[in-house]
Amino acid sequence: DVKVTQSSRYLVKRTGEKVFLECVQDMDHENMFWYRQDPGLGLRLIYFSYDVKMKEKGDIPEGYSVSREKKERFSLILESASTNQTSMYLCASSLFEGSEHSNQPQHFGDGTRLSIL
Amino acid sequence: GNSVTQMEGPVTLSEEAFLTINCTYTATGYPSLFWYVQYPGEGLQLLLKATKADDKGSNKGFEATYRKETTSFHLEKGSVQVSDSAVYFCALDLLYTGKLIFGQGTTLQVKP
Repeated sequence: DVKVTQSSRYLVKRTGEKVFLECVQDMDHENMFWYRQDPGLGLRLIYFSYDVKMKEKGDIPEGYSVSREKKERFSLILESASTNQTSMYLCASSLFEGSEHSNQPQHFGDGTRLSIL
Repeated sequence: GNSVTQMEGPVTLSEEAFLTINCTYTATGYPSLFWYVQYPGEGLQLLLKATKADDKGSNKGFEATYRKETTSFHLEKGSVQVSDSAVYFCALDLLYTGKLIFGQGTTLQVKP
């Protein structure tokens, strides 16, 4: 089974801090994703990566950056945390299929509930 | 643009009731369609998928049929259990990208 592990289940930080959220997958997947989940808004894509050193902006990248130095690890960085970044953050990975359809499902971690005070 | 619309929740049912959660989509081309489930305190898990028109995805008693003519992918289950209480997300894939577009999620509460 695919295992996607997020480093923390709960995290409390202060405004202005630099925050690192870590995600590791064990199935040699090329694709990795960071989402935030908020009530009534579903999942919104922050950043994604197709390969090591590669990154692409999602729908809401402002205030975030990412790092992918190794294939199995994808880090989300809040450069200067603000209260409106209080949310549930979900990491996911999937296999690159290289075809028109992405028939490969995304596999999710259990999420990090981040509170910014 | 590409989007997914789900019925608003919460949906509250008694055990053994019939479940339908509506999902409609707007997309360029013919995307694959997915249902994910999120149990309390957990991440999302793939429940079922369908990759082309008229395909039926099924798993754990849940079913959904890819209807191109109505651009819908409604989730159904004949007899729900308390353990089915969760948030259900409908999603489509953006062609050639591996990215998914999610609906806003529908909360299901099943009472004994």
